[in-house]
Amino acid sequence: GESVGLHLPTLSVQEGDNSIINCAYSNSASDYFIWYKQESGKGPQFIIDIRSNMDKRQGQRVTVLLNKTVKHLSLQIAATQPGDSAVYFCAENVNAGGTSYGKLTFGQGTILTVHP
Amino acid sequence: NAGVTQTPKFQVLKTGQSMTLQCAQDMNHNSMYWYRQDPGMGLRLIYYSASEGTTDKGEVPNGYNVSRLNKREFSLRLESAAPSQTSVYFCASSEALDYEQYFGPGTRLTVT
Repeated sequence: GESVGLHLPTLSVQEGDNSIINCAYSNSASDYFIWYKQESGKGPQFIIDIRSNMDKRQGQRVTVLLNKTVKHLSLQIAATQPGDSAVYFCAENVNAGGTSYGKLTFGQGTILTVHP
Repeated sequence: NAGVTQTPKFQVLKTGQSMTLQCAQDMNHNSMYWYRQDPGMGLRLIYYSASEGTTDKGEVPNGYNVSRLNKREFSLRLESAAPSQTSVYFCASSEALDYEQYFGPGTRLTVT
């Protein structure tokens, strides 16, 4: 049978490099986006979020860029460290008529591997 | 401040058995959620509770029931477990529906 979702995109970088992880979202009504990091055997951990009235937001070593025209989201990690190795998920929240559905839709995830 | 806690951490069930997964949060959050995660995939929403006293279906509610016991606790029940329900289950909470969600450590469930 088809193994949907078993072949995650991967990104391998050297320690100290900058990493860029991309995400295409599907719903033009989405108004809130979150990036999560998930280490093996653990729950997702919040990294950074952005609302649709912004196109860029910065945190500590991380930047999220939002391009609503092409429905694209990216996460930039500066000076990537081995501890950044994990699966990274983007999630979108759909807003309809001012009422949030409260249903985060998660992307498939990207595996980031940082080599020392 | 423990955040979101889940019990049990691991569980093995036989087909047809029932069980309840427990979740509690100590952040005074209004909204709580149950997700499942299958190998190599993102999370899929099973049920959520926008506030105490309300529950709503998510993307994959079939075979599950939930109870929002009070503001802190949100349980997920499998009435008659099936092998297709083998998964890792995560509970999450947030201040409100469109705020960042904080996740528990997960329950790894195997149904044989």
